[in-house]
Amino acid sequence: NAGVTQTPKFQVLKTGQSMTLQCAQDMNHNSMYWYRQDPGMGLRLIYYSASEGTTDKGEVPNGYNVSRLNKREFSLRLESAAPSQTSVYFCASSENRGGGTDTQYFGPGTRLTVL
Amino acid sequence: AQSVTQLDSHVSVSEGTPVLLRCNYSSSYSPSLFWYVQHPNKGLQLLLKYTSAATLVKGINGFEAEFKKSETSFHLTKPSAHMSDAAEYFCVVSFSGGYNKLIFGAGTRLAVHP
Repeated sequence: NAGVTQTPKFQVLKTGQSMTLQCAQDMNHNSMYWYRQDPGMGLRLIYYSASEGTTDKGEVPNGYNVSRLNKREFSLRLESAAPSQTSVYFCASSENRGGGTDTQYFGPGTRLTVL
Repeated sequence: AQSVTQLDSHVSVSEGTPVLLRCNYSSSYSPSLFWYVQHPNKGLQLLLKYTSAATLVKGINGFEAEFKKSETSFHLTKPSAHMSDAAEYFCVVSFSGGYNKLIFGAGTRLAVHP
């Protein structure tokens, strides 16, 4: 039982390049999330998928796209990377039983630098 | 609107002394509240959560937090700090609205000195 896994762990891009961050969970969770973490700002939600087949924008979606490939996998794509997207990206998942009491489980993160 | 304020960005304690990390929240109804810990270059790990049961919540590694509705606070405490407690701590409020939305505080970095 690996929990939430993310690949890659580290990535350096040049401005304008594209890349996809991969996330998978083996807990049979319904909901999955992508966050970015910047110094002094906590985590901010980029996109989420409340259930398989649905995706919605979070707080900071500009410059990103997502795909909920199946119940296990949720990918984040940067089509044309910008230096402002330099950050640490975390994927998370939760059961989504409703009521706001769910615990979200986080992956180890991807540290992305855009030059 | 939901919001979370962590009152200290940095806290420094000596090993063996008590830890207090302060958190205030704003919520229009009874929230669920969480504390997560992040060790350097690691992901976030749940320490404890409050979901309208007992107001004193016990978590892992000897941490606990008390929900005080009248003060809109959810401070995290530990009686005796250990060197391994050095990390960043996030207070988080959750509410439902089609999905399990989390609002994070900015974080408190805890340093533990010998």
